[in-house]
Amino acid sequence: DAGVIQSPRHEVTEMGQEVTLRCKPISGHNSLFWYRQTMMRGLELLIYFNNNVPIDDSGMPEDRFSAKMPNASFSTLKIQPSEPRDSAVYFCASSLIKGKSTDTQYFGPGTRLTVL
Amino acid sequence: EDKVVQSPLSLVVHEGDTVTLNCSYEVTNFRSLLWYKQEKKAPTFLFMLTSSGIEKKSGRLSSILDKKELFSILNITATQTGDSAVYLCAPRGSQGNLIFGKGTKLSVKP
Repeated sequence: DAGVIQSPRHEVTEMGQEVTLRCKPISGHNSLFWYRQTMMRGLELLIYFNNNVPIDDSGMPEDRFSAKMPNASFSTLKIQPSEPRDSAVYFCASSLIKGKSTDTQYFGPGTRLTVL
Repeated sequence: EDKVVQSPLSLVVHEGDTVTLNCSYEVTNFRSLLWYKQEKKAPTFLFMLTSSGIEKKSGRLSSILDKKELFSILNITATQTGDSAVYLCAPRGSQGNLIFGKGTKLSVKP
């Protein structure tokens, strides 16, 4: 199994540019999670999807952030326009949730974003 | 508001020492609690705890949950330099989302 795949692995961009992060969850998983990690704030949940539907986006910082999951095997996290304070490592994770039973979350390698 | 507090924030020990990492939580509709180890890359899964008082073990690592007192501990015996990492505690709420603590940074010196 390839695990969770994220791209790009690193991105450096200038303030004001649009940034799109991509994630392919583990095949068969029905839930997908986007996290952001910084030294100051630790690991934060931004949004998560269940069966391609956003369930909780209360962690999304502001309107500049948006996430989509057009199908079970692909999700994007977009920042437009980007700002230096968005610099962080963005993780995608997937899991299988069946009723009250949930499997562990498996994390992708992360995308390190630097906004200059 | 859901809350997770890990302690200590940082810990330095020598190889061979035993360490105990603490995690207390307040989570609405608690389902389970997960422990992760994070070195330089993404977190890797260690344990998932759902029942009070039942110890989970994996080699030198073990963990236990107390749902009455709302805490969990992670023990590492006979520590090795490869145990150096940030250990994250993450209780799970009713909708499946994980709420992460700030982590405990463990440094094991030779």
